[in-house]
Amino acid sequence: AQSVTQLDSQVPVFEEAPVELRCNYSSSVSVYLFWYVQYPNQGLQLLLKYLSGSTLVKGINGFEAEFNKSQTSFHLRKPSVHISDTAEYFCAVISVQGAQKLVFGQGTRLTINP
Amino acid sequence: EAGVTQFPSHSVIEKGQTVTLRCDPISGHDNLYWYRRVMGKEIKFLLHFVKESKQDESGMPNNRFLAERTGGTYSTLKVQPAELEDSGVYFCASSAGGSLAFFGQGTRLTVV
Repeated sequence: AQSVTQLDSQVPVFEEAPVELRCNYSSSVSVYLFWYVQYPNQGLQLLLKYLSGSTLVKGINGFEAEFNKSQTSFHLRKPSVHISDTAEYFCAVISVQGAQKLVFGQGTRLTINP
Repeated sequence: EAGVTQFPSHSVIEKGQTVTLRCDPISGHDNLYWYRRVMGKEIKFLLHFVKESKQDESGMPNNRFLAERTGGTYSTLKVQPAELEDSGVYFCASSAGGSLAFFGQGTRLTVV
């Protein structure tokens, strides 16, 4: 079984500041990792994913995340945020083999202040 | 190409009533998933269809929930009778295979 912990439920930052949203996971098997974003009144949209290869993955809208296997983390970063980044962000994992279902963290609400 | 579409976007019903949620996956996607987010908690898996067959329904909370996918195209999720704790956002997702799933906008269900 897998579990995902997003360490911050809310993160307020000022516009143009850097941000890091933290995600740790637990799994007895190999997993793929994802970050999804939900903008206000919209559905879940894939931000980026790690399947294999380089541990630093780049996604849409200037976001990137780094997979750290030893620390079982997949933190999301952006060097300079915009008002339009205000949304809720979800970290998720899926086992490489076996049950094809995403296991989500509780979400982090990112609020950008002008 | 149309994405995953869910109907209705919002539903408010009284406790004890029946509600049916619908999901139209991306055309050609054999895999269809239902997830639910109860307020303030994480998004949780409900079940997984491969074509018209239930591959995994381990997340279905109880027998008041019935999911169908006749013909392997769209899916419905019926809650009968609805209880207060069923309130939340119900997401549908589809995939062609592998791990990448595309999500719909969700149906916000409120049971009063």
